[in-house]
Amino acid sequence: GQNIDQPTEMTATEGAIVQINCTYQTSGFNGLFWYQQHAGEAPTFLSYNVLDGLEEKGRFSSFLSRSKGYSYLLLKELQMKDSASYLCAVRDISGGYNKLIFGAGTRLAVHP
Amino acid sequence: DAGVTQSPTHLIKTRGQHVTLRCSPISGHKSVSWYQQVLGQGPQFIFQYYEKEERGRGNFPDRFSARQFPNYSSELNVNALLLGDSALYLCASSLAGGGASGTDNEQFFGPGTRLTVL
Repeated sequence: GQNIDQPTEMTATEGAIVQINCTYQTSGFNGLFWYQQHAGEAPTFLSYNVLDGLEEKGRFSSFLSRSKGYSYLLLKELQMKDSASYLCAVRDISGGYNKLIFGAGTRLAVHP
Repeated sequence: DAGVTQSPTHLIKTRGQHVTLRCSPISGHKSVSWYQQVLGQGPQFIFQYYEKEERGRGNFPDRFSARQFPNYSSELNVNALLLGDSALYLCASSLAGGGASGTDNEQFFGPGTRLTVL
């Protein structure tokens, strides 16, 4: 089956670092995405991993371990505007085409 | 360049009615995917179209249908609306719809259509 798990909610303090974990089980793994979604808005792309290791992009980093079915998103120097939902999505190729399978999202609240 | 556009932005319908949602992909993109996002959940895959043909379908009833036009825009139709169909409907476009890895299959999301069924 296909399953993606991530924590429902997290809280953190402005200026701190937070790590959002994601575990997945899919039959046709073809890459993992992290999206940010503010309330009522569309998801916006943050990062993409297809090989094991760490991808760094400014304040955001994402890590992937395919053998463990595990990824995390690391947010540094948190700002109030980082309060949003963070969606872990696996690109699945079973069926011969790419589709995104999303987790339920992690709601991050950043406090002063 | 314009991104993915969707219309309408918001829509209110009553149970049993029919609705048509529209999506225009990024210029040059040939693949459109539709997702349903119920409040508090992640988006759920509904359909993917590539070169005007259905490539895949998620676990949705036959009340949901879609099509892609020669200009690569797409419509999502939902018949016999139920209260549970209330959701944000997202359209995503990508260059290709096949099985290659890499950025050709990266999906870019539109702003969504918020459907409320009363």
